[in-house]
Amino acid sequence: DVKVTQSSRYLVKRTGEKVFLECVQDMDHENMFWYRQDPGLGLRLIYFSYDVKMKEKGDIPEGYSVSREKKERFSLILESASTNQTSMYLCASSLQGASNQPQHFGDGTRLSIL
Amino acid sequence: DAKTTQPPSMDCAEGRAANLPCNHSTISGNEYVYWYRQIHSQGPQYIIHGLKNNETNEMASLIITEDRKSSTLILPHATLRDTAVYYCIVRDSWGKFQFGAGTQVVVTP
Repeated sequence: DVKVTQSSRYLVKRTGEKVFLECVQDMDHENMFWYRQDPGLGLRLIYFSYDVKMKEKGDIPEGYSVSREKKERFSLILESASTNQTSMYLCASSLQGASNQPQHFGDGTRLSIL
Repeated sequence: DAKTTQPPSMDCAEGRAANLPCNHSTISGNEYVYWYRQIHSQGPQYIIHGLKNNETNEMASLIITEDRKSSTLILPHATLRDTAVYYCIVRDSWGKFQFGAGTQVVVTP
């Protein structure tokens, strides 16, 4: 089975801090994704990556950056955390190649910015 | 915007089959239908996907109408652990997964 592991289930940080969320997958997937999930808004794509050192903006990239130095690891960075970034953050990965590959998700990090 | 429409909620008795409908009337010929579920406080779990043929795996069956404008996810013998929000998804033109509100399924004893 695909395993996508997010480093923390719960995280509390302060406004203005630089926050790192880590995600690791063990299935040699090329594609990795970061979403946030908020009540009433569903899942929204922040950034994704098709390969090492490559990144693409999703629908809501403002206030975030990402890093993909190794194939199995995709990091989401909140440059200067703000209270409106309090949310559930979900990482996903998928195989490249055929367009029908499903995404597999981690269990999420519930981030609170105080 | 999500390209699918699902009922907001449904109940199912434990041990019975749960049939979850989904409308995707604007689906294109090469777009797949995916089903995920999300149990409270966990990440979305992949269930099944299909193009035009019916599909079955250890979790569920997927029935897609011949015109591909709708589909039904079938949980053959619902258990209390199947209580979750179920999402029917068609990838958008950019290849992204767009999660809508889904269907809240409650399995009752």
